Amino acid sequence: EAEVAQSPRYKITEKSQAVAFWCDPISGHATLYWYRQILGQGPELLVQFQDESVVDDSQLPKDRFSAERLKGVDSTLKIQPAELGDSAMYLCASSLGAHNEQFFGPGTRLTVL
Amino acid sequence: ELKVEQNPLFLSMQEGKNYTIYCNYSTTSDRLYWYRQDPGKSLESLFVLLSNGAVKQEGRLMASLDTKARLSTLHITAAVHDLSATYFCAVDKDSGYALNFGKGTSLLVTP
Repeated sequence: EAEVAQSPRYKITEKSQAVAFWCDPISGHATLYWYRQILGQGPELLVQFQDESVVDDSQLPKDRFSAERLKGVDSTLKIQPAELGDSAMYLCASSLGAHNEQFFGPGTRLTVL
Repeated sequence: ELKVEQNPLFLSMQEGKNYTIYCNYSTTSDRLYWYRQDPGKSLESLFVLLSNGAVKQEGRLMASLDTKARLSTLHITAAVHDLSATYFCAVDKDSGYALNFGKGTSLLVTP
């Protein structure tokens, strides 16, 4: 069964360091989402791509976060520099298109020390 | 701003009992999703409700949607321990297509 792949699964870093997360969506899915989930809360959207274009990045802290999906397939989310408050689960999801069901990857658990 | 509110946020119930989780949302939407999340794990899709009056059932879980009341319910019948998890409802954002999630209902089923 096709799945969304994410790596790494766990990342521990120190404050002010740079981190990067990778996501490979289900083949053929044009829409890709990055969500952040703080412990005890629901996921919140960081950025949404349609193919290689950003559809919504209104909640992305652009001073330290960046995201790209250069060829419209896999995607990278970067944080530089990391802050203590960035400790969270970062979830990638994909869908055939907007308004289609989203499928979530296993997530990357980030801990910033 | 789209708001999604779930209640209760915490629920402890005995095996064999029935209970309902409620999800209210603040804007018009015809699409509502229920997800399950086990501790430290990702989100597993349970139900996709696409129209007013939609009802879906899987095992001991049944979800329904009333778009006029902006309300969805997740009903648990004869709970078993394996249902212990956090359940999220989510609605499409009003200005786009990403999901707005509730805070989740943490369910614990005890013997």
